[in-house]
Amino acid sequence: NAGVMQNPRHLVRRRGQEARLRCSPMKGHSHVYWYRQLPEEGLKFMVYLQKENIIDESGMPKERFSAEFPKEGPSILRIQQVVRGDSAAYFCASSLDRLPNYGYTFGSGTRLTVV
Amino acid sequence: RKEVEQDPGPFNVPEGATVAFNCTYSNSASQSFFWYRQDCRKEPKLLMSVYSSGNEDGRFTAQLNRASQYISLLIRDSKLSDSATYLCVVKTGGGNKLTFGTGTQLKVEL
Repeated sequence: NAGVMQNPRHLVRRRGQEARLRCSPMKGHSHVYWYRQLPEEGLKFMVYLQKENIIDESGMPKERFSAEFPKEGPSILRIQQVVRGDSAAYFCASSLDRLPNYGYTFGSGTRLTVV
Repeated sequence: RKEVEQDPGPFNVPEGATVAFNCTYSNSASQSFFWYRQDCRKEPKLLMSVYSSGNEDGRFTAQLNRASQYISLLIRDSKLSDSATYLCVVKTGGGNKLTFGTGTQLKVEL
């Protein structure tokens, strides 16, 4: 049973380009969470999605960032017009239940570098 | 004040030593507590949940003090492979988001 799969592992974008990060949850999981880890900082919650719905996007920057989790296919975190400050590791996690009391399992992350 | 605070370290200890990490959280409504481990440039991995009664998993013991809003992790008989950053993590309220501390770095040396 594969874990949470994220791709690409590494992504390099020039300033002003778009970045698309993909997350395939564990089999049977319909809840997905995105976190960002800036250099030398802790992980920060970005968004929580359930299939076709955004449940909590309180951690998403107001502009340029969007997320979706379609009925079919992986969850996508999209960053438009990237800037150097977007360089970070982006981690995705998934869960089976809506309110798990257990900790999540994270994917191996996507490291975005903006040059 | 940060929601979850940890001493960043690093803690440099010899192999076989016992080391303890502490963490405080600011929201008294927090409900679930965890310790995660993160190796350099890797994803965080769940080490253990933390229960009010205290819990142990092999060489690792976690304690929670709700009155003081304080969480601890004790590692006995440290191994070189324990070298990593240990993240204190809190889940608050009915939401699903986890709040991470910035982590405490442990270096176990020969």
